[in-house]
Amino acid sequence: AQTVTQSQPEMSVQEAETVTLSCTYDTSESDYYLFWYKQPPSRQMILVIRQEAYKQQNATENRFSVNFQKAAKSFSLKISDSQLGDAAMYFCAYRNTDSGNTPLVFGKGTRLSVIA
Amino acid sequence: NAGVTQTPKFQVLKTGQSMTLQCAQDMNHEYMSWYRQDPGMGLRLIHYSVGAGITDQGEVPNGYNVSRSTTEDFPLRLLSAAPSQTSVYFCASSRRGIVGYGYTFGSGTRLTVV
Repeated sequence: AQTVTQSQPEMSVQEAETVTLSCTYDTSESDYYLFWYKQPPSRQMILVIRQEAYKQQNATENRFSVNFQKAAKSFSLKISDSQLGDAAMYFCAYRNTDSGNTPLVFGKGTRLSVIA
Repeated sequence: NAGVTQTPKFQVLKTGQSMTLQCAQDMNHEYMSWYRQDPGMGLRLIHYSVGAGITDQGEVPNGYNVSRSTTEDFPLRLLSAAPSQTSVYFCASSRRGIVGYGYTFGSGTRLTVV
């Protein structure tokens, strides 16, 4: 079974600075998707960024980018120019590419605080 | 377009009571799932369904029941509530075959069992 590990329960960053959240995963599959979800205090789960394993280019969405290292099974999230609204729980997640028959597997999350 | 609708948003139960958490989606998504979120544990899968009439267990299925009679609805039943089931519950859905879009989540149900 696939597993996702987030080794940083809590992180903090100064406003306008850059922070990197770590995620590693374990799988024997060659094709899959990786995701980062944001959960603000409102509890809503918000998709931040996604990466397909077959794509070598790292995904980028505005201030959010990933460092995807397939051989190392690492998928870190970099937040640039951090804003107060970035304060939230961040979850790394994995899903097999098998016509959507298998569930999303989550890490335990990293709580990010942004200091003004 | 309502997306995924969960009801109720909050609920307090007494130990031993039963209840059903409702989940409905209007996006014609074949895949639906239930997760529970506990502090320090992330989101853990309870049950999931790949289509009407088909359900399967996830990581933490004990004490919960599901059925999927229609594409739109995927209720989660607590048979006899226990304090260990105090949690936030999320329902999520997705289209089969479009893995890359991830899930659409409901807004969650905060359940307290006393």
